[in-house]
Amino acid sequence: DAGVIQSPRHEVTEMGQEVTLRCKPISGHDYLFWYRQTMMRGLELLIYFNNNVPIDDSGMPEDRFSAKMPNASFSTLKIQPSEPRDSAVYFCASSFPPRGRVDTIYFGEGSWLTVV
Amino acid sequence: AQKITQTQPGMFVQEKEAVTLDCTYDTSDQSYGLFWYKQPSSGEMIFLIYQGSYDEQNATEGRYSLNFQKARKSANLVISASQLGDSAMYFCAMREFSISSGSARQLTFGSGTQLTVLP
Repeated sequence: DAGVIQSPRHEVTEMGQEVTLRCKPISGHDYLFWYRQTMMRGLELLIYFNNNVPIDDSGMPEDRFSAKMPNASFSTLKIQPSEPRDSAVYFCASSFPPRGRVDTIYFGEGSWLTVV
Repeated sequence: AQKITQTQPGMFVQEKEAVTLDCTYDTSDQSYGLFWYKQPSSGEMIFLIYQGSYDEQNATEGRYSLNFQKARKSANLVISASQLGDSAMYFCAMREFSISSGSARQLTFGSGTQLTVLP
């Protein structure tokens, strides 16, 4: 079974450039999450969607960050312009809604971003 | 206030022994779920085990079990018969559910515990 698929796996870009990270959730999942992981701040939620609608974007650092989910099988996280402090691992995750005793949120392998 | 607290930044355990990783949580919701994830040095986040707040029995998945003490708001992970491949960062996380809206919120993570299994 295909898991959550993220691309690119690694990206090195220069400060000021636009970065687009992509995510394909597990088929049928209607929750999609974007997390950022850094040594200093740990795992932080940036934004999450339910049925393609953004529910909570309070974690998006600033206007340079934007996320979209145009359909149930695709989401993007865009940083424009990028800055060195944006260097981090960006994880996409997806899940069904919790069903009784069952709930699982699966993560992609992450996109390792370095802004120089 | 921290919603998920992991007080052990690092832990060591001898191979084949059991180890307990601590996790306490804070929520006023009646309905929530608790998760443990493993993150090896390669970086991926691997789901290990889940416990729902209404589950009366502790969750188990192979060598992993979750010691759920609801009154104390703790959800400790127990790994039995540790293996060298268990060396990794372990994260406790919580997902709260809104009964009124019928929707689930995001996962909130603790700061993690770095487990090292010694040969």
